[in-house]
Amino acid sequence: GAGVSQSPSNKVTEKGKDVELRCDPISGHTALYWYRQSLGQGLEFLIYFQGNSAPDKSGLPSDRFSAERTGGSVSTLTIQRTQQEDSAVYLCASSLKGSGSPLHFGNGTRLTVT
Amino acid sequence: DQQVKQNSPSLSVQEGRISILNCDYTNSMFDYFLWYKKYPAEGPTFLISISSIKDKNEDGRFTVFLNKSAKHLSLHIVPSQPGDSAVYFCAVGNSGNTPLVFGKGTRLSVIA
Repeated sequence: GAGVSQSPSNKVTEKGKDVELRCDPISGHTALYWYRQSLGQGLEFLIYFQGNSAPDKSGLPSDRFSAERTGGSVSTLTIQRTQQEDSAVYLCASSLKGSGSPLHFGNGTRLTVT
Repeated sequence: DQQVKQNSPSLSVQEGRISILNCDYTNSMFDYFLWYKKYPAEGPTFLISISSIKDKNEDGRFTVFLNKSAKHLSLHIVPSQPGDSAVYFCAVGNSGNTPLVFGKGTRLSVIA
């Protein structure tokens, strides 16, 4: 596709359930990033992939969060045993080569944990 | 402690006038600076960038200024148009493999 695609666009889940968020980056982009934006906050970095490997996982808030990327393309972000503080917009971005090139964002997944 | 600060949460400007959005950063190792624009329910879109070897970069109505000694960058939009109303995020990074760090954003309202 022409841009970064994320699904679902909205997800409402009960506290304690697991959720999986998907990101399809721009074709040919080697770097993929996950950020999240909580209400009234800026973009908080979660994890970064270069190809299929994740050199920087420093932003993952807890061990309930994990992400993988397969085939150098699609990535999934999994949140286990969701908590209300996980409610946020989860944004995926890709870039052509990582450092020094701009990120192109998807429209995000709005996660609401009730 | 915030590495990137956008101290004005909101800004209101009349159509046709100049909009100036400001951003301060703390780490002198940053050498790549960007502005993003975000409409509601959409992801941020890349607007303009500047590297540390320059102090100004212009693209149409948008100009980014970088003052390395003050660790300050600004985005000028002139003339401002109602369609420019959005949240603007400043982002900083470096040429190593580190992710961009974003500010909290400034909501710009351009009034017709």
